[in-house]
Amino acid sequence: ETGVTQTPRHLVMGMTNKKSLKCEQHLGHNAMYWYKQSAKKPLELMFVYNFKEQTENNSVPSRFSPECPNSSHLFLHLHTLQPEDSALYLCASSRQGNVYSGANVLTFGAGSRLTVL
Amino acid sequence: GENVEQHPSTLSVQEGDSAVIKCTYSDSASNYFPWYKQELGKRPQLIIDIRSNVGEKKDQRIAVTLNKTAKHFSLHITETQPEDSAVYFCAASGFANAGGTSYGKLTFGQGTILTVHP
Repeated sequence: ETGVTQTPRHLVMGMTNKKSLKCEQHLGHNAMYWYKQSAKKPLELMFVYNFKEQTENNSVPSRFSPECPNSSHLFLHLHTLQPEDSALYLCASSRQGNVYSGANVLTFGAGSRLTVL
Repeated sequence: GENVEQHPSTLSVQEGDSAVIKCTYSDSASNYFPWYKQELGKRPQLIIDIRSNVGEKKDQRIAVTLNKTAKHFSLHITETQPEDSAVYFCAASGFANAGGTSYGKLTFGQGTILTVHP
């Protein structure tokens, strides 16, 4: 276990459902990220939280709603999703600092595989 | 914003051969270039990285080279083994600042599926 835990690992939901993905890190990091990984596409940055504050929203549709109650926990709330939202959702964390202190070294969780029917 | 192009998308080699994966980036302000390996069904894991003040870095069978002028960097794997089979992602990163603190912001390439045949 690398210190970043994601639950659930697999999720199947209908387009009218509401569900949430959870991410927890035990590394003492202060920045947390949601990435979307679809087949044959690069990892797409969705959201960044730095010290609990959202600092990046990469034009993500409002049907994805992130929440970061503290530096160790990150949620992604899902509602009225579309089949094209089916993907692997990866959470990651990093420490704050500069390039020489490893602040942009991401530690990823195992991901939540989402299937929207 | 940053744009990272990665080639080839698939690479097949025989065990013992070398493998090279190339990436180009667009933002000259990027200063950190990691490579991640993702085995089937597993999380991406950092295998090597290079910072903009260095031209080359080596770790056993893996090396990365960086040409800042041309804005490209490459991953070299020598003496490949079947367990090297995976998807490899390059990324480029600058830094973003918010509230007096900074954090990394990686833009990933499309990935290369490497298959090493025994």
